[in-house]
Amino acid sequence: DTAVSQTPKYLVTQMGNDKSIKCEQNLGHDTMYWYKQDSKKFLKIMFSYNNKELIINETVPNRFSPKSPDKAHLNLHINSLELGDSAVYFCASSLGGLQFFGPGTRLTVL
Amino acid sequence: SQQGEEDPQALSIQEGENATMNCSYKTSINNLQWYRQNSGRGLVHLILIRSNEREKHSGRLRVTLDTSKKSSSLLITASRAADTASYFCATDPNNNDMRFGAGTRLTVKP
Repeated sequence: DTAVSQTPKYLVTQMGNDKSIKCEQNLGHDTMYWYKQDSKKFLKIMFSYNNKELIINETVPNRFSPKSPDKAHLNLHINSLELGDSAVYFCASSLGGLQFFGPGTRLTVL
Repeated sequence: SQQGEEDPQALSIQEGENATMNCSYKTSINNLQWYRQNSGRGLVHLILIRSNEREKHSGRLRVTLDTSKKSSSLLITASRAADTASYFCATDPNNNDMRFGAGTRLTVKP
């Protein structure tokens, strides 16, 4: 029944590693997003995909690469992780402007 | 870039009191939305107000929008301890490009 799901919920890793976060939505929405929420709770959009096509790519380092194998999935791959990447990452999908968020993935880079 | 900015950053009230949070934004918008985030969870959509609307109600929530001042307010009446959460406003200056503020942290004491 979960509308927007993310895995894993927690991710602890060493600096320099490569990791992926998966996102799936079963709402049939065409648009999906990745957001980063820092320790001050500021939520910042990273990417937006519409029907598997990238439509927004904010000033995010190219170490971050979203991949959308189909309309229901938008995965986030991060290369060469840095300490500053530690945050909570939220996936979302939208219909008619309303956004539906996943539960978040707390990434900790040591 | 950040679009909405909530004020105050933190608000603490007693159960039964009303809570008012404000949001200011910078560019013209199609609509403005308020979201709620419980600790450790994703954001949940509360209410959407369109740019041609001035006020909207949903249960104990009342939202106002003043496009001339580029501001909105969220009023929660008869607050409950369960209303304790962070509240974010979000605007969409362009389609599929939601911009969130840093949120107002509301604490309702029983």
